[in-house]
Amino acid sequence: AQTVTQSQPEMSVQEAETVTLSCTYDTSESDYYLFWYKQPPSRQMILVIRQEAYKQQNATENRFSVNFQKAAKSFSLKISDSQLGDAAMYFCAYSVYGGATNKLIFGTGTLLAVQP
Amino acid sequence: NAGVTQTPKFQVLKTGQSMTLQCAQDMNHEYMSWYRQDPGMGLRLIHYSVGAGITDQGEVPNGYNVSRSTTEDFPLRLLSAAPSQTSVYFCASSDGTGVAEQFFGPGTRLTVL
Repeated sequence: AQTVTQSQPEMSVQEAETVTLSCTYDTSESDYYLFWYKQPPSRQMILVIRQEAYKQQNATENRFSVNFQKAAKSFSLKISDSQLGDAAMYFCAYSVYGGATNKLIFGTGTLLAVQP
Repeated sequence: NAGVTQTPKFQVLKTGQSMTLQCAQDMNHEYMSWYRQDPGMGLRLIHYSVGAGITDQGEVPNGYNVSRSTTEDFPLRLLSAAPSQTSVYFCASSDGTGVAEQFFGPGTRLTVL
């Protein structure tokens, strides 16, 4: 069975600094998708960034980038130039390729605080 | 375009009561899912659907029923509520193509006394 592990329950970063959130996963599949979702206090789930496992190039979305290490089964999220609005719970998630891609498996989340 | 809507936003039930959580999407998505979110456990898949008339169980299906009679709607039924079902429930939809983004509803906070 696939699992997703986020080993940092809480993180803190100073405004304008860079922070990296860790995520590891376990799967026997060779093709799959990985996601980072943000959940602010409003409770709304917001997609931050996504990565297809067959793509070697790391995904980037503005200030958000990932470090995808397929052999190590690691998928960390880097937030550059942190802003107060980045404070939220961040979830790493996995889904299988080619099947029911709405079957997301989530990690337990990392609560990010941004200090002014 | 409202996206994914869920009703109600909050609900309090007594043990043994039944209720239906409503979910609707207006994006013509084939794939819809229900998740529950509990403290320290992330989101876990309850049931999902890959099209009208097709549903399947997720990771934690016990105590919940679903049906999908239309593309737009995917209600979640609690037949006999238990305190263990106290949680925040999210409905999500996607078009299921490639690395498809799942669009989430605003969630329903359910308390079972």
